[in-house]
Amino acid sequence: AQTVTQSQPEMSVQEAETVTLSCTYDTSENNYYLFWYKQPPSRQMILVIRQEAYKQQNATENRFSVNFQKAAKSFSLKISDSQLGDTAMYFCAFDGATNKLIFGTGTLLAVQP
Amino acid sequence: DVKVTQSSRYLVKRTGEKVFLECVQDMDHENMFWYRQDPGLGLRLIYFSYDVKMKEKGDIPEGYSVSREKKERFSLILESASTNQTSMYLCASSTRRTSGGLYTQYFGPGTRLTVL
Repeated sequence: AQTVTQSQPEMSVQEAETVTLSCTYDTSENNYYLFWYKQPPSRQMILVIRQEAYKQQNATENRFSVNFQKAAKSFSLKISDSQLGDTAMYFCAFDGATNKLIFGTGTLLAVQP
Repeated sequence: DVKVTQSSRYLVKRTGEKVFLECVQDMDHENMFWYRQDPGLGLRLIYFSYDVKMKEKGDIPEGYSVSREKKERFSLILESASTNQTSMYLCASSTRRTSGGLYTQYFGPGTRLTVL
């Protein structure tokens, strides 16, 4: 069965600095999707970034980028120029052949002024 | 923008009551999902549906049932609520992966259910 591991329960970063959130996963599949979701204190879960496994190029969305290492089964999220509004719980998720999202346990990121 | 709405943000029920949680999406998505979110456990899939009147069990279906009579609406039912079902419940929807476009799940705001 697929698993997703986020080994950092909590992280803290100063405003304007860069932070990297880690995620590893375990699968025997070759075609799948990986996602980072953000859940601010208001609780609405929103998509941050997605990566299709067949694409070698790392996905980027403005200040958010990923480091996708398929062989190592690693999918880290880098947030550049951190802002106070980035304070949230971040979830890494895997979607494979079953069409069901498998989530990690989350990383609580606090951006300090 | 995709919109997924849930009938209540907060709900308080008593043990043994029948509880209905409603979810509506406005993007004509084929797939709909119900998750439960608990601290330290992330999100766990309860049930999902890939078409009207179709349903599939997720990882933790015990104590829950679902109904999908219309494409836009997916209901989660707790037949006899228990205190261990106190949790945050999130609904989500998505296209089928083969439908093209940006495949992703879109989430509702969540319902915080407390069972006393």
